[in-house]
Amino acid sequence: GEDVEQSLFLSVREGDSSVINCTYTDSSSTYLYWYKQEPGAGLQLLTYIFSNMDMKQDQRLTVLLNKKDKHLSLRIADTQTGDSAIYFCAESTRGTGRRALTFGSGTRLQVQP
Amino acid sequence: DSGVTQTPKHLITATGQRVTLRCSPRSGDLSVYWYQQSLDQGLQFLIQYYNGEERAKGNILERFSAQQFPDLHSELNLSSLELGDSALYFCASSVGGESSPLHFGNGTRLTVT
Repeated sequence: GEDVEQSLFLSVREGDSSVINCTYTDSSSTYLYWYKQEPGAGLQLLTYIFSNMDMKQDQRLTVLLNKKDKHLSLRIADTQTGDSAIYFCAESTRGTGRRALTFGSGTRLQVQP
Repeated sequence: DSGVTQTPKHLITATGQRVTLRCSPRSGDLSVYWYQQSLDQGLQFLIQYYNGEERAKGNILERFSAQQFPDLHSELNLSSLELGDSALYFCASSVGGESSPLHFGNGTRLTVT
């Protein structure tokens, strides 16, 4: 079955690094995604990683994937107050003609000045 | 701006009524997905269309239906509305390939009174 889990809340100080963690259960996941949701807005795609990669870096964002442990993390360097939002981890599942994303419950990141 | 347009932004209606939510995908995207976001159930996948045909079904109630038109816009119809249907409804679109990420609209907030 498919299940994606995240911790609910993370608080950091401005300028520190944030690390948001996610675990998933479906070993046939092909792509894993990070989305950001600000209040009153839709989900904004931040980055994604193919399941045969270990790491992907994109400016202040670093994604680490441990496929053996089914663990995904998003590191935000030099976190700013504008990074305060809910961050969703999602996996792409392959099944009989189905390709949709399964989302975690989201991690609320609060950045304190 | 993701390029996905959803209307209306807000909708308030009474129990038992029927509403239609509309989505225009990004230019060039053939796949449209509908998701429901509520506080207690998180982001739930409802249904996917690809180039006018239903591709995958998630946790969509029988009271709900959707379609994708030849111009690729999509509509989600919700009928016999109940208080528990109050939620944010998101549309997302993608090119449709295995690696193509989903791009989300800003959602329609439905309030059933």
